Amino acid sequence: SQQGEEDPQALSIQEGENATMNCSYKTSINNLQWYRQNSGRGLVHLILIRSNEREKHSGRLRVTLDTSKKSSSLLITASRAADTASYFCATDIKGGSEKLVFGKGTKLTVNP
Amino acid sequence: EAGVTQFPSHSVIEKGQTVTLRCDPISGHDNLYWYRRVMGKEIKFLLHFVKESKQDESGMPNNRFLAERTGGTYSTLKVQPAELEDSGVYFCASSHAAPGLGHEQYFGPGTRLTVT
Repeated sequence: SQQGEEDPQALSIQEGENATMNCSYKTSINNLQWYRQNSGRGLVHLILIRSNEREKHSGRLRVTLDTSKKSSSLLITASRAADTASYFCATDIKGGSEKLVFGKGTKLTVNP
Repeated sequence: EAGVTQFPSHSVIEKGQTVTLRCDPISGHDNLYWYRRVMGKEIKFLLHFVKESKQDESGMPNNRFLAERTGGTYSTLKVQPAELEDSGVYFCASSHAAPGLGHEQYFGPGTRLTVT
């Protein structure tokens, strides 16, 4: 099973609605990062949250981290068609070499 | 500031041939990582350089893959000889974090490798 698993695998919403994606992991982490990938393009770094942080905001993005449940959520508020992309969480495992372990991602579609 | 760049963006080769991928990290970033995503699977770590030294190469699939980072600047990843299962997108990332701190890793656009 995966270290990082996103949920849901796919999400389709209307413009203006909020989108929530979840990520669960299995081992202790140093930090958790969220990335976006537009179709056929590279990974864009969205936000990093450290293991001693519980919540972080960046523009329309809100990330929470619950280390007791080994889970994180990414909330995109007031979504736009341009937010259509795949979203990945990636964990930096404690005691590891700072390599990131990715989940399979959530494919978000925002309909205009 | 220029981001991470990768070359080529696409490569189509035949089984048994050799391909070399290049990554130029963000200037000043000591840490350089290679990842790849094969069709339908998650993005997986290949290896991590700190300057010119291999910090962790636990993700390298086999000895057909050779990564170098001479001089601690750009890196190359050579696949020789290529096999069909090597097809996928190869990503490079860099970060400036000191070891153990963990910082944002900035990714390049990837090289899409197709082995036929």
